[in-house]
Amino acid sequence: EIVMTQSPATLSVSPGERATLSCRASQSVSSNLAWYQQKPGQAPRLLIYGASTRATGIPARFSGSGSGTEFTLTISSLQSEDFAVYYCQQYNNWLGTFGQGTKVEIK
Amino acid sequence: EVQLVQSGAEVKKPGESLKISCKGSGYSFTSYWIGWVRQMPGKGLEWMGIIYPGDSDTRYSPSFQGQVTISADKSISTAYLQWSSLKASDTAMYYCARPIAAGDNWFDPWGQGTLVTVSS
Repeated sequence: EIVMTQSPATLSVSPGERATLSCRASQSVSSNLAWYQQKPGQAPRLLIYGASTRATGIPARFSGSGSGTEFTLTISSLQSEDFAVYYCQQYNNWLGTFGQGTKVEIK
Repeated sequence: EVQLVQSGAEVKKPGESLKISCKGSGYSFTSYWIGWVRQMPGKGLEWMGIIYPGDSDTRYSPSFQGQVTISADKSISTAYLQWSSLKASDTAMYYCARPIAAGDNWFDPWGQGTLVTVSS
């Protein structure tokens, strides 16, 4: 089973600043990686898939990069609605796994 | 509009059985995989498994193999997640979700979640 490790666990950022979240896979997943956002009491929402493609309706301030084992989600200028928990997820050989999440909180 | 609507919250005792549901609408139910994801209280997301309602092909995460059963009834566009003997550690929110495209692996949309509480 591929293990996904996210860092940091918590990221304190001021509104308007840039946030950079990392996700590492225990073995190569090529570009088979997605990012989700989850707010309290809500189901997760897909942000990025295929490592770098924004899902429908996702603002351009969200961008994803990476391939193989190292991936990054960047939020270029944090808005108040972006404070949430972010998860990466890989899918390989009919099996998916999520990272443990990064909480983005207001500094 | 594509929608997944899950059954309501459940409160059960250890050892009891349970089957929760996820009804799809607004798309061809038999053409898309449906997945189940667990979220224990205050914890992260865990990928449990997926089913293809067209032929009931099912894949499980090793962590959940033998612990739960995923099934589907394509005649009523509904997927299920069931337990034969619940444990307190099964207390969690359970989400169903569908891939964004028929050949894809990324979940969107998601159901609203079903909260399962197991307590004596």
